[in-house]
Amino acid sequence: AQSVTQPDIHITVSEGASLELRCNYSYGATPYLFWYVQSPGQGLQLLLKYFSGDTLVQGIKGFEAEFKRSQSSFNLRKPSVHWSDAAEYFCAVGRAGNFNKFYFGSGTKLNVKP
Amino acid sequence: DTEVTQTPKHLVMGMTNKKSLKCEQHMGHRAMYWYKQKAKKPPELMFVYSYEKLSINESVPSRFSPECPNSSLLNLHLHALQPEDSALYLCASSQNLARGPQPQHFGDGTRLSIL
Repeated sequence: AQSVTQPDIHITVSEGASLELRCNYSYGATPYLFWYVQSPGQGLQLLLKYFSGDTLVQGIKGFEAEFKRSQSSFNLRKPSVHWSDAAEYFCAVGRAGNFNKFYFGSGTKLNVKP
Repeated sequence: DTEVTQTPKHLVMGMTNKKSLKCEQHMGHRAMYWYKQKAKKPPELMFVYSYEKLSINESVPSRFSPECPNSSLLNLHLHALQPEDSALYLCASSQNLARGPQPQHFGDGTRLSIL
C-alpha cells in the first residue's frame, strides 16, 4: 500500500532563510511524486512533480525538490523564503493504473517570521 | 487565476435542505474529481469521473450525489446533510485516466457549513 509521511506538522522560518520540507513515501514501484501548496481559503496549487529522469526538479515560485530513491524521500526546498510562502504544503504520491488516485501526506504548515 | 472554477464559494444550509455545488473547467480535461477537506487535514477523495462516467466512489454516503452532465461540468448534489459534513469541498481535473498519474488541477473550493 502507498503512504506518504510529512514528519513536520509546523515549521517556522525567518523571511530570507532557506527552507526544507520533508516528505517520505512508501511504495514498491517507481512513484509519481507531487508537491502542492494551499494558501488559506484557497485550493491546492501544483508546485512541482517528479515522474522520471533528473532527480532534481524545478517548480514554480522558486521551489525545487530532490527525489532520493535510497531514502524514499522527496524533500521540497527553497533557498530564500518570502512572507507570501506562508501556507500549508502537501506532498502526494500516485501510481500508474490506479485511476490517478493520489495519496496525500498530512501536510506541513509553514509560518514565516518577518 | 485558477482554471477550475467552483461555485458558490460559501454555502450555509440546514440539514433538510437540498443544494448543489458546481465545478467547471475549460482545459479539455476528461477526468474530474471531488474531494472533501476538513480543517488541518489533507483532501480526501470522494468521486472520480472519467469521460463523464463515474469511475470511483470512495464509499461516500448517498446524501452526496455526483453528476457529470458534460466534459466541462461536474456537480455535487447535497441532500439531508449532517453537521459533520461541514468542510471545504474541492473539485479537481486532470487530462484523463488513460496513462500514468497526471497532475490534478484544483479549484478554490466551496466552504460548506451545515446548521
